[in-house]
Amino acid sequence: NAGVTQTPKFRILKIGQSMTLQCTQDMNHNYMYWYRQDPGMGLKLIYYSVGAGITDKGEVPNGYNVSRSTTEDFPLRLELAAPSQTSVYFCASSYEGSSYEQYFGPGTRLTVT
Amino acid sequence: ILNVEQSPQSLHVQEGDSTNFTCSFPSSNFYALHWYRWETAKSPEALFVMTLNGDEKKKGRISATLNTKEGYSYLYIKGSQPEDSATYLCAGASGGSYIPTFGRGTSLIVHP
Repeated sequence: NAGVTQTPKFRILKIGQSMTLQCTQDMNHNYMYWYRQDPGMGLKLIYYSVGAGITDKGEVPNGYNVSRSTTEDFPLRLELAAPSQTSVYFCASSYEGSSYEQYFGPGTRLTVT
Repeated sequence: ILNVEQSPQSLHVQEGDSTNFTCSFPSSNFYALHWYRWETAKSPEALFVMTLNGDEKKKGRISATLNTKEGYSYLYIKGSQPEDSATYLCAGASGGSYIPTFGRGTSLIVHP
């Protein structure tokens, strides 16, 4: 199993550009999550999904959108990128059988200039 | 979203020292408490998943305890080594949503 994979690993965007961060898991987990890493603040939840077709906002959803058309994929869309969105983004997945212990992808480092 | 707090924010110890840090969380409607180890430039990896009051888990020199009645968990590292240097995150989940909320983490630096 590859686990949770994320692409790209790095990206530089100009202000106002848009992009999609890809996340795929091959563990058949029903829960998936997007986090951003803010210095000194740990992980902040952006969006999460409890299954295909179901998504919900986390703590910091503004400026982002998600979709979950399949169990495996959970892309994060950034519209009109702003410097405040410069961060490292982590995708994670979990399932009830492990008390929702999370499996993380390797992260995407995004810089908006 | 739960209020999960960790202390201290950072810790510097010498190689060989034993250390511990705390995660506190709301005790009502508790479901699970997770500990993760997060090395610089890597992604967090699960250390322990704890669900029952009085749970004690151990992995090598690292162990954790859980008190759900008073809402805290301790992580202990015995005989710290430089390779233990990392940020240790805890995440609490309640029975209401099962979506874990992360604390800000404790940054541990072990000096040789």
